[in-house]
Amino acid sequence: AQTVTQSQPEMSVQEAETVTLSCTYDTSESDYYLFWYKQPPSRQMILVIRQEAYKQQNATENRFSVNFQKAAKSFSLKISDSQLGDAAMYFCAYERTGNQFYFGTGTSLTVIP
Amino acid sequence: GAVVSQHPSWVICKSGTSVKIECRSLDFQATTMFWYRQFPKQSLMLMATSNEGSKATYEQGVEKDKFLINHASLTLSTLTVTSAHPEDSSFYICSAISPGQLAYEQYFGPGTRLTVT
Repeated sequence: AQTVTQSQPEMSVQEAETVTLSCTYDTSESDYYLFWYKQPPSRQMILVIRQEAYKQQNATENRFSVNFQKAAKSFSLKISDSQLGDAAMYFCAYERTGNQFYFGTGTSLTVIP
Repeated sequence: GAVVSQHPSWVICKSGTSVKIECRSLDFQATTMFWYRQFPKQSLMLMATSNEGSKATYEQGVEKDKFLINHASLTLSTLTVTSAHPEDSSFYICSAISPGQLAYEQYFGPGTRLTVT
């Protein structure tokens, strides 16, 4: 079974600074997708960034970028120039064939003004 | 972007009763919908995959007779919690994708908070 692990239950970052959230996963498949989702207090899930496993290039979306290490099964999220609105729960997710998502346990990010 | 709604957003029911939660895709047709459960400060746990016109596929450990899922149309899937008990209290989230879409184009509903007293 696929498992997704986020080893940092809580993280904090100073506003305008950079923070990295960690995620590891376990799979026997070679082709899959990885995602980072943000869940603010409203509980609405918001897609932050995605990575196709067959692509070696790390995905980037404005201030958000990932470090995808396929061999190590690692998928970390870097948030640059952190803003107060970035404060939320962040979930790493794995998508297997068939579109089922498996989420990690989440990291609660606090942004300190 | 595509919108997925859930109704109700919050429901309280008495132990032993059943409660139905609706998930609707408002501006697209969803051949596949997913139901998740989220306990406080915990992750989303996939409960089942719902395909329009066919029986839902449940994840291991999820009681199909307890959590009835019906995906009768391309815009509506329902989750019925039967004979609810306090341990069923949780936050339930649905998501949807349309034909030809890949998983990253999955859209999430705002969730339904169920409290069983």
